[in-house]
Amino acid sequence: KNQVEQSPQSLIILEGKNCTLQCNYTVSPFSNLRWYKQDTGRGPVSLTIMTFSENTKSNGRYTATLDADTKQSSLHITASQLSDSASYICVVSLQTGANNLFFGTGTRLTVIP
Amino acid sequence: GAVVSQHPSWVICKSGTSVKIECRSLDFQATTMFWYRQFPKQSLMLMATSNEGSKATYEQGVEKDKFLINHASLTLSTLTVTSAHPEDSSFYICSAKITSGQGGTQYFGPGTRLLVL
Repeated sequence: KNQVEQSPQSLIILEGKNCTLQCNYTVSPFSNLRWYKQDTGRGPVSLTIMTFSENTKSNGRYTATLDADTKQSSLHITASQLSDSASYICVVSLQTGANNLFFGTGTRLTVIP
Repeated sequence: GAVVSQHPSWVICKSGTSVKIECRSLDFQATTMFWYRQFPKQSLMLMATSNEGSKATYEQGVEKDKFLINHASLTLSTLTVTSAHPEDSSFYICSAKITSGQGGTQYFGPGTRLLVL
């Protein structure tokens, strides 16, 4: 069964601190994995996309890793800012199918001053 | 590039009325668009897949007569919530895919908040 699981469910950190969010998946055949940031009341915005052959990809203070063997991904946020408070969703794509996305339930991050 | 818009961004309506939500791909043509629903603190749940010029494919448990989807052009899909009830209150998000068939990248709209009184 194709599934995407994220942990932790929620996280509270102090401004300026780093944090790491986890994503485990069982989706196959795997095409790519994206991390999205979703602000409250807004649609998801893509942060990173990683294919099978990529291990690490950065986008500013966001760094995503992918281990295709263990089917795990992480999103590391450095020097957190108040504006980082949002839900972070891991989305895994199948290679085939018109609708080929599997969504994680997200991690709700709250950055406090 | 690859911008998807939704209109309206929020709507409040009385129970029993119908509400239409528009989803537009602004700078690309989308042969396939998707409609999602998101309840508080939950992830996106796919409601239906619409292909331009053909009938939408609904996910199990989604009433096609209640959630009417029209994908009349390559840049516009509409979702009409007919005879809305308070339990239909949710955040509705559309996405558009640049390439049809297998693979492709979905771009999400900003969402529409629906509140049915």
